[in-house]
Amino acid sequence: AQKITQTQPGMFVQEKEAVTLDCTYDTSDPSYGLFWYKQPSSGEMIFLIYQGSYDQQNATEGRYSLNFQKARKSANLVISASQLGDSAMYFCAMRPSNYQLIWGAGTKLIIKP
Amino acid sequence: GAVVSQHPSWVICKSGTSVKIECRSLDFQATTMFWYRQFPKQSLMLMATSNEGSKATYEQGVEKDKFLINHASLTLSTLTVTSAHPEDSSFYICSAPGLAFTDTQYFGPGTRLTVL
Repeated sequence: AQKITQTQPGMFVQEKEAVTLDCTYDTSDPSYGLFWYKQPSSGEMIFLIYQGSYDQQNATEGRYSLNFQKARKSANLVISASQLGDSAMYFCAMRPSNYQLIWGAGTKLIIKP
Repeated sequence: GAVVSQHPSWVICKSGTSVKIECRSLDFQATTMFWYRQFPKQSLMLMATSNEGSKATYEQGVEKDKFLINHASLTLSTLTVTSAHPEDSSFYICSAPGLAFTDTQYFGPGTRLTVL
């Protein structure tokens, strides 16, 4: 079965600290993509970062990096130097070979000043 | 980047009425559009996939007669919630697939529906 698991319903982090949001996945497809999205209270889905299953290096986009451990089937999002504006819901999603996104349950991140 | 708009942003209606939500691809043509539903503090749930010029494909458990989807042109897909009831209150999001496997989907800003 194809599945995304986010085990952290919520997290509190002090401003300027780094934060890791966990994501594990399950698929038998050899080719797949992993995405992270941010959803602030306004509701819009904001694309953060992408990692392909064949990518040799971990993806990075500014303060976002993806800790991709293929053997463990994990794709954790790391946010460095967190800011108050990072407070939002974060979703991990997987795209197996059929192009359809499979979503995790999400993690609510709250950054404390 | 590709822009998807939704209208209205939010709507309040009385129970028993129908509500139409429009989803437009502004600077590209979308042959496919995904419609999601999201309850508070939950993840996105795919309701259906609309395809331009053909019938939509509904996910298991989604009532076709309740959620009418029309994709009449390459830039417009609509979702009509018929005879809405309070349990239909939710956040509805449309999105278009990217061109490549590595591309993100392009999401509309969402429509918040409240049925009284």
